[in-house]
Amino acid sequence: GAVVSQHPSRVICKSGTSVKIECRSLDFQATTMFWYRQFPKQSLMLMATSNEGSKATYEQGVEKDKFLINHASLTLSTLTVTSAHPEDSSFYICSAPLIAGGREQFFGPGTRLTVL
Amino acid sequence: AQSVTQPDIHITVSEGASLELRCNYSYGATPYLFWYVQSPGQGLQLLLKYFSGDTLVQGIKGFEAEFKRSQSSFNLRKPSVHWSDAAEYFCAVGANNAGNMLTFGGGTRLMVKP
Repeated sequence: GAVVSQHPSRVICKSGTSVKIECRSLDFQATTMFWYRQFPKQSLMLMATSNEGSKATYEQGVEKDKFLINHASLTLSTLTVTSAHPEDSSFYICSAPLIAGGREQFFGPGTRLTVL
Repeated sequence: AQSVTQPDIHITVSEGASLELRCNYSYGATPYLFWYVQSPGQGLQLLLKYFSGDTLVQGIKGFEAEFKRSQSSFNLRKPSVHWSDAAEYFCAVGANNAGNMLTFGGGTRLMVKP
């Protein structure tokens, strides 16, 4: 099956700093990746769609200047949380379809961000 | 707008008892559907999926789900629950005309009594 990895798995940072989270497709190429946020005891909410070689598409209410997404290669998308604040503490999960336009998405293991 | 509802936030069942987790959706297009399971602090594991064809689908770990278009439902079932099934369960729905993005239900937390 298709494998998606995320790095780091956990990160703790101080308020005001920036944090980068990587999402990699290990055994397939992903022209599209999705970024989700999951607050404690809540469901996954789609933040943005990351498109290789072009700008990301953000969902309503998600600040594109705060959550910078870069999809520079067919196997890597990064999410940078800029000037992080405690309310940004969450579980961030990425996913990618095996083929472009594919229905099934393969999920990464998630990154736990804690902002102090 | 599309939406997915999991009416039960928490469910507790005894080990060995049967289980049904409900999922209802509201979609303008023909949907495709998934059930995922998530253990605390972990990512999502796919249990089963429905794209088309036979409306009763079998998944891993003894789970099955039935797509009922007339009821806009995709309920998850298991005939005999094991203690290791305790986790959070998410129903997700997508559609070809929605850019293949998934909409998730709110989740159901399953607890298993010994």
